[in-house]
Amino acid sequence: ILNVEQSPQSLHVQEGDSTNFTCSFPSSNFYALHWYRWETAKSPEALFVMTLNGDEKKKGRISATLNTKEGYSYLYIKGSQPEDSATYLCAFKAAGNKLTFGGGTRVLVKP
Amino acid sequence: GAGVSQSPSNKVTEKGKDVELRCDPISGHTALYWYRQSLGQGLEFLIYFQGNSAPDKSGLPSDRFSAERTGGSVSTLTIQRTQQEDSAVYLCASSPDRGRGNTIYFGEGSWLTVV
Repeated sequence: ILNVEQSPQSLHVQEGDSTNFTCSFPSSNFYALHWYRWETAKSPEALFVMTLNGDEKKKGRISATLNTKEGYSYLYIKGSQPEDSATYLCAFKAAGNKLTFGGGTRVLVKP
Repeated sequence: GAGVSQSPSNKVTEKGKDVELRCDPISGHTALYWYRQSLGQGLEFLIYFQGNSAPDKSGLPSDRFSAERTGGSVSTLTIQRTQQEDSAVYLCASSPDRGRGNTIYFGEGSWLTVV
């Protein structure tokens, strides 16, 4: 059983503030690390797929880093806006294996 | 449309009845996943189909759950003798191939309520 942990489970952010949260995953047999954004009543939307240690990806105000040797990834939101409110999911893929999701970090941005 | 299509979008069923949920993946996608999310829980893996390989059924919670993928395309998830704890949103996702950088694309889910 693969352990993919996300912390915190939820966080409240003031509009305009920046925030970040963590995904930890097994450091062996790494293949890829995915980040998804899931808004209520919609389907999860892919943000990033990261495959190399030290990868940094950016999409607008959202960015992510990857450390495969120690088994963690950070997602950053700069200048949070109310529309950033969602659950952010990470998912780990080992070689030849299925995608395993973490429990998500629920972000609520308060105006 | 060109996305992952799931049906029905909503289903209310009586405890003990069987239900079938359908997923039509993106054309050409060889990998297909079923997940579910119960109230207050994270995404729970159910089953994974990859091409002609034997499916990974390790996430199916009981023998009341089964899934098929016909012709490498459409998949059906069947829940027999439904129980109230089966109430959840069931999400299907597909992916192009085994490539390392490929994301998976989700459908909008089938919301199942067992009363």
